Amino acid sequence: AQSVTQLGSHVSVSEGALVLLRCNYSSSVPPYLFWYVQYPNQGLQLLLKYTTGATLVKGINGFEAEFKKSETSFHLTKPSAHMSDAAEYFCAVSTPSGGSYIPTFGRGTSLIVHP
Amino acid sequence: EPEVTQTPSHQVTQMGQEVILRCVPISNHLYFYWYRQILGQKVEFLVSFYNNEISEKSEIFDDQFSVERPDGSNFTLKIRSTKLEDSAMYFCASSDQVNTEAFFGQGTRLTVV
Repeated sequence: AQSVTQLGSHVSVSEGALVLLRCNYSSSVPPYLFWYVQYPNQGLQLLLKYTTGATLVKGINGFEAEFKKSETSFHLTKPSAHMSDAAEYFCAVSTPSGGSYIPTFGRGTSLIVHP
Repeated sequence: EPEVTQTPSHQVTQMGQEVILRCVPISNHLYFYWYRQILGQKVEFLVSFYNNEISEKSEIFDDQFSVERPDGSNFTLKIRSTKLEDSAMYFCASSDQVNTEAFFGQGTRLTVV
């Protein structure tokens, strides 16, 4: 079974500050990992993904995440927060299960950006 | 850019009524999913669909739920007899292979009164 833990239901940062959203996963096989963003009253938009290869992946809007197998982590970072980054962020893990890959989501982290 | 389309965006229904949530996946995608998100809670997997049949389903997806691909484009979720606790945002998603990301629709907010 696979699972995702996102530490912190809310993260608050000042505009221009570093953003760090934590994600740890549990999987018995090599996982695929994703970060999705949900803006108010909108659907889920893919920020970035890790499947194989380079462990540091870059996504849209200046976000990046690093897959650390030894720590079973896939934390999301952005060097400088912008007001428009305020949203709900979901980490998801996907592993083979019965012949298919089904993303399992974490509980989400709400990013609050202060002026 | 291709996108997953869901209708309606908001549905209000009386408890006990049947509802059908509609989705048009991206045209060349083969794998389809329904998720739900109860307000303030995590996004939960309901069911996946491939080759005209359910491939996986969660414990949430009980007998009151069903999915169908009635034609070459639509993918529907039916809730036979809605309960108050079915109130949630329902997301449809599709992917072209099992090992690539799922593309999500904007969601249908279902309110059961």
